[in-house]
Amino acid sequence: DGGITQSPKYLFRKEGQNVTLSCEQNLNHDAMYWYRQDPGQGLRLIYYSQIVNDFQKGDIAEGYSVSREKKESFPLTVTSAQKNPTAFYLCASSMLNTEAFFGQGTRLTVV
Amino acid sequence: AQSVTQLGSHVSVSEGALVLLRCNYSSSVPPYLFWYVQYPNQGLQLLLKYTSAATLVKGINGFEAEFKKSETSFHLTKPSAHMSDAAEYFCAVSEKINFNKFYFGSGTKLNVKP
Repeated sequence: DGGITQSPKYLFRKEGQNVTLSCEQNLNHDAMYWYRQDPGQGLRLIYYSQIVNDFQKGDIAEGYSVSREKKESFPLTVTSAQKNPTAFYLCASSMLNTEAFFGQGTRLTVV
Repeated sequence: AQSVTQLGSHVSVSEGALVLLRCNYSSSVPPYLFWYVQYPNQGLQLLLKYTSAATLVKGINGFEAEFKKSETSFHLTKPSAHMSDAAEYFCAVSEKINFNKFYFGSGTKLNVKP
């Protein structure tokens, strides 16, 4: 089945650690996105990529980094510079003139 | 940049009653418009989308939405609520110029009372 796979579903990070969230899609979509979701704030765009080897900052990119070395993969690293990383992270992808398709999310908790 | 406003962070209806979730967007140029549903600890699932065809759009699970350019609105309705409709609903827009960038509202949690 085609879709977007995010892993892991739950992730725990210690203070000062970097962690990487995985996002893989087999929909052959050009564009991929990372959103952060906090209660009552909807979805906020962290980074997006419209083609391989290119990506742009979204509204809340500070403390995060991404790469897009392959069309199907768009991993997100939450660095130690992100002071409040506890949130639900959603990866999505889309093609031209279509809706965004979402993965099942990764819940990151700082311990 | 676009902005999307969803009036009412929480809406409560009785089972069998009309569901109305409100969405307004800011663009002067009609964008593409979407409604998504999210169940707890899951991703977002598309309910319906408007991409400049018919202004009344029908989606899954009996939901529909009407695009009103004069009101810059795209409200979501369902004639009769079911318990399984309890979830969080997000309105989203994407610009036709920069079509691959999506903007989301803050969400409306729908509670369905028996």
